[in-house]
Amino acid sequence: EVQLLESGGKLVQPGGSLRLSCAGSGVTFDTYAMNWVRQAPGKGLEWVSGIGAAGGWTYYADSVKGRFTISRDNSNNTVYLDMKSLRADDTAVYYCARDSYSGSYQWWFDPWGQGTLVTVSS
Amino acid sequence: DIVMTQSPDFLAVSLGERATINCKSSQSVLDSSNNKNFLAWYQKKPGQPPKVLVYWASTRASGVPDRFSGSGSGTDFNLTISSLQAADVAVYYCQQYYDTPSITFGPGTRVDLK
Repeated sequence: EVQLLESGGKLVQPGGSLRLSCAGSGVTFDTYAMNWVRQAPGKGLEWVSGIGAAGGWTYYADSVKGRFTISRDNSNNTVYLDMKSLRADDTAVYYCARDSYSGSYQWWFDPWGQGTLVTVSS
Repeated sequence: DIVMTQSPDFLAVSLGERATINCKSSQSVLDSSNNKNFLAWYQKKPGQPPKVLVYWASTRASGVPDRFSGSGSGTDFNLTISSLQAADVAVYYCQQYYDTPSITFGPGTRVDLK
């Protein structure tokens, strides 16, 4: 069974930085694109960033462009999200989500991790 | 970006009754070259991650009960739960993946028991 486990979420002050990790197990990791999707309290789902299977491309939502960086280490089956210049409106549960198909990019997601909470507040 | 809207915002349905959620996109998500609609549906329960129910607008994901069905084409889509069970209480989101990488989700529809 494929499992994704996020970590790294915590309380951080506005303007601060944070690194989220997503560790995958149970399936070949390096043939799938990976994404981060967030959900702010009481709000809907917002795609944040995606990275190709080999890390050859990365994309970002306009709301995080220039502040967040996605990367991956396929030797350790891990995807990262480096966040800087954090703002209150970045407060959310951040989910790691795998693209649905190996070797191609479908952009619908299955499975998802359990999520990690990032709170930006002074 | 393609804007997704859903209706209603909230739906209360009796056990065993039908629930239908509508999702509209601001532009077509149909690829006429292969006749595929780039539209997925997810179920989200509190404290759990989203779970895909349907993709390509009408293909049920593996392990999803057959009481869930997706329909529609172009800009207008429905998710139907044919006989609501207590386990189906959740928020449901549609997502377009036609305009990649600018994928977008609908605002969600909360389904509860009447």
